[in-house]
Amino acid sequence: NAGVTQTPKFQVLKTGQSMTLQCAQDMNHNSMYWYRQDPGMGLRLIYYSASEGTTDKGEVPNGYNVSRLNKREFSLRLESAAPSQTSVYFCASTWGQETQYFGPGTRLLVL
Amino acid sequence: AQSVSQHNHHVILSEAASLELGCNYSYGGTVNLFWYVQYPGQHLQLLLKYFSGDPLVKGIKGFEAEFIKSKFSFNLRKPSVQWSDTAEYFCAVKPNQAGTALIFGKGTTLSVSS
Repeated sequence: NAGVTQTPKFQVLKTGQSMTLQCAQDMNHNSMYWYRQDPGMGLRLIYYSASEGTTDKGEVPNGYNVSRLNKREFSLRLESAAPSQTSVYFCASTWGQETQYFGPGTRLLVL
Repeated sequence: AQSVSQHNHHVILSEAASLELGCNYSYGGTVNLFWYVQYPGQHLQLLLKYFSGDPLVKGIKGFEAEFIKSKFSFNLRKPSVQWSDTAEYFCAVKPNQAGTALIFGKGTTLSVSS
């Protein structure tokens, strides 16, 4: 039982490049989330998927897209990376109103 | 819009000192409340949570928190901190309705000197 896994762990991009962050959970959770963490800002919700087949915008969705590929997987895509997207990205999952479990994070640096 | 406020950005304590971190939220309905901890270089881990019942909840590593509904507060306490408690602490709130997500405070950095 690996919990929530994320790939890659670290990525460097040039401005304008695209990439997809992958997230998978093996806990049979129905809801999945993407957050970004920046110093002094806490965690801010980018997108979430309350259940398979649905996605909703969070607090800071601009510049991102998501895909809930199946119940296990929820990917985050940056179509044209910008330096303002330099951050640590965390994926999380939960069942109903229960505790959210977080992945180890992806550190992204956009030059 | 819902929000979570953590009163202290950075707290510095000596070992054995007592800790209290403030957290207030704005939401009129029923909520579930959480405190998460992030040790340096690690991901978030749950310290404790409150869903209902006794408003004083105990978590891991000697932490506890008290939910005061009238004050919309969920403060975190520990009677005697250790050097290993150095970390960032996040208060989070989840409205108790389907299709909602956790709302986090900006976090409090705790530095404990030995």
